[in-house]
Amino acid sequence: DIVMTQSPDSLAVSLGERATINCKSSQSVFHSRTNKNYLTWYQQKPGQPPKLLIYWASTRESGVPDRFSGSGSGTDFTLTISGLQAEDVAVYFCQQYLSDPRTFGQGTKVGIK
Amino acid sequence: EVQLVESGGDLVKPGESLRLSCAASGLNFVYAWVHWVRQAPGKGLEWIGRSKSKSDGGAIDYGAPVKGRFTISRDDSRNTLYLQMNSLKTEDTGVYFCTTLLRWEHPGGESWGQGTLVTVSP
Repeated sequence: DIVMTQSPDSLAVSLGERATINCKSSQSVFHSRTNKNYLTWYQQKPGQPPKLLIYWASTRESGVPDRFSGSGSGTDFTLTISGLQAEDVAVYFCQQYLSDPRTFGQGTKVGIK
Repeated sequence: EVQLVESGGDLVKPGESLRLSCAASGLNFVYAWVHWVRQAPGKGLEWIGRSKSKSDGGAIDYGAPVKGRFTISRDDSRNTLYLQMNSLKTEDTGVYFCTTLLRWEHPGGESWGQGTLVTVSP
């Protein structure tokens, strides 16, 4: 199974500042035939299901604000929130979908400093 | 708009059984690959398993923590996915979501239900 490890477990950022979350996979989630990284990022608020933010490691889902961006390839990935807003307080998860079983990072809690 | 609605969550004792349902609308369910994902209270997300469409072979696969105890099935005539959970343990407590997690070729468009709560307690 591919193990996903996020860092940090939590962070607090001032409103308007940048938040950066890292996700590392135990093996590459890049597929050479398709030239894509099979990595998604989710946002989850209390009492709600996860909401897809980013897929293929760097493509924003329709309707997601452009302050959310994803980067990275192979085994190392980053979710950046450029200019944190109050409504961005949530837990963020990465997930690999290169292969089953699907595996998720443990989550990173983002709050306001 | 795709809607997934889970039901069947309840409070049960260890060793008992429970069946969850996921009713889908707004998608061509017969061609959908549908997954179960759970979340223990205050914890992360754990993949339970997946049902492929019959046209794609119909394979059903499970995560290690539930293999041999849980069974996924589907009724395409009712647009419904099921999760039969046997020999429940306290560590099976959590919210169970059904979801159309992305496939390789999908440019977004994933859907999740709101979840149903399963509590396993003596």
